Amino acid sequence: DAGVIQSPRHEVTEMGQEVTLRCKPISGHNSLFWYRQTMMRGLELLIYFNNNVPIDDSGMPEDRFSAKMPNASFSTLKIQPSEPRDSAVYFCASSLRLSGTQYFGPGTRLLVL
Amino acid sequence: DQQVKQNSPSLSVQEGRISILNCDYTNSMFDYFLWYKKYPAEGPTFLISISSIKDKNEDGRFTVFLNKSAKHLSLHIVPSQPGDSAVYFCAATGAGETSGSRLTFGEGTQLTVNP
Repeated sequence: DAGVIQSPRHEVTEMGQEVTLRCKPISGHNSLFWYRQTMMRGLELLIYFNNNVPIDDSGMPEDRFSAKMPNASFSTLKIQPSEPRDSAVYFCASSLRLSGTQYFGPGTRLLVL
Repeated sequence: DQQVKQNSPSLSVQEGRISILNCDYTNSMFDYFLWYKKYPAEGPTFLISISSIKDKNEDGRFTVFLNKSAKHLSLHIVPSQPGDSAVYFCAATGAGETSGSRLTFGEGTQLTVNP
């Protein structure tokens, strides 16, 4: 049974470029979460969806960040324009229901030069 | 404002001995606590959880203890195995369907189990 799938696994880009991270949640899971892990701030929640609807985006750091979930099997996190301080590992997680156990993907390691 | 703190960035133990990882929290609204394990280049994996109505939950070699008055929880691994070497994150969440989804993580503790 496939877990949460994230792509790309690694992304290197230049400052000012648009970056799109992708996530496929576990089939049948109704909730999806985007996290960011940095040395300074640890693992922090950016935004989460329930039944494809954004519930709380208070963790999104700036307007440069946006997330969408057009259907139950796909979500994107976009950074436009990217900055060096956005360099981090971005994790996607899904759960069966909003307060259920969250299962994490392998993460996307982003480096903005 | 770090609401969940793991004060030990690293812990080293011998194989077969007990590993004890600690976690403190400040938000009295937290009522559900989880431990996640993370290997390099992988996402965190759920390990064990405990509700605030309990003070202990056990699953095989892993036991989590909760002391609500002290706002402290700990994860015990007995016996420790080299494969347990990983970063362990403590996480907490509050009551309610919506707030229960917002996990607040600690900084993590790197556990190394030496053969």
